[in-house]
Amino acid sequence: AQTVTQSQPEMSVQEAETVTLSCTYDTSESDYYLFWYKQPPSRQMILVIRQEAYKQQNATENRFSVNFQKAAKSFSLKISDSQLGDAAMYFCAYRTSMYSGGGADGLTFGKGTHLIIQP
Amino acid sequence: GAGVSQSPSNKVTEKGKDVELRCDPISGHTALYWYRQSLGQGLEFLIYFQGNSAPDKSGLPSDRFSAERTGGSVSTLTIQRTQQEDSAVYLCASSLAQTDTQYFGPGTRLTVL
Repeated sequence: AQTVTQSQPEMSVQEAETVTLSCTYDTSESDYYLFWYKQPPSRQMILVIRQEAYKQQNATENRFSVNFQKAAKSFSLKISDSQLGDAAMYFCAYRTSMYSGGGADGLTFGKGTHLIIQP
Repeated sequence: GAGVSQSPSNKVTEKGKDVELRCDPISGHTALYWYRQSLGQGLEFLIYFQGNSAPDKSGLPSDRFSAERTGGSVSTLTIQRTQQEDSAVYLCASSLAQTDTQYFGPGTRLTVL
């Protein structure tokens, strides 16, 4: 079974600074997807960024970018120019590719990192 | 367009009662997922529907839990004889197809007294 580990329960950053959230995962599959989701106090899980394992190029979405190291099974999220609205729980998630012959198609989540933005 | 909606937003029930949680996926999304989020266990995947069928029900925590989906759209998660350990936020997500990104609803917070 796949596991996802987020080793930072809480991170704090000054507004306008850059912060990196860590995520490692364990899998024996070669084809899969990785995600970062944001969950503010409203409970709504919002997709931040998505990475396909077969793509070597790191995904970026505006101020959000990832550092995907497939051999090291690492998938960190960098938030540049942090804003107050970025404060939330951030979850790293893994999903098997259907081409890997995996079973259930649900996401496997890490425990989350609580990001605090200091004004 | 409209996102994934869930009802009720909050549900308080007494131990031993049955509850039904509803999920309305994004229109046209064929895949639908249920997750449970609790302090102790984090986010757990419960069950997945492709169309009206659920290929794998092994993620459901016990036989008190069941789920169905009708017409390839709305899904209902039913918990029978609720226990205090069932207290959690139940999240629903949908995706256009199996391989696509999952979009989540706002969840139902279930409290079992």
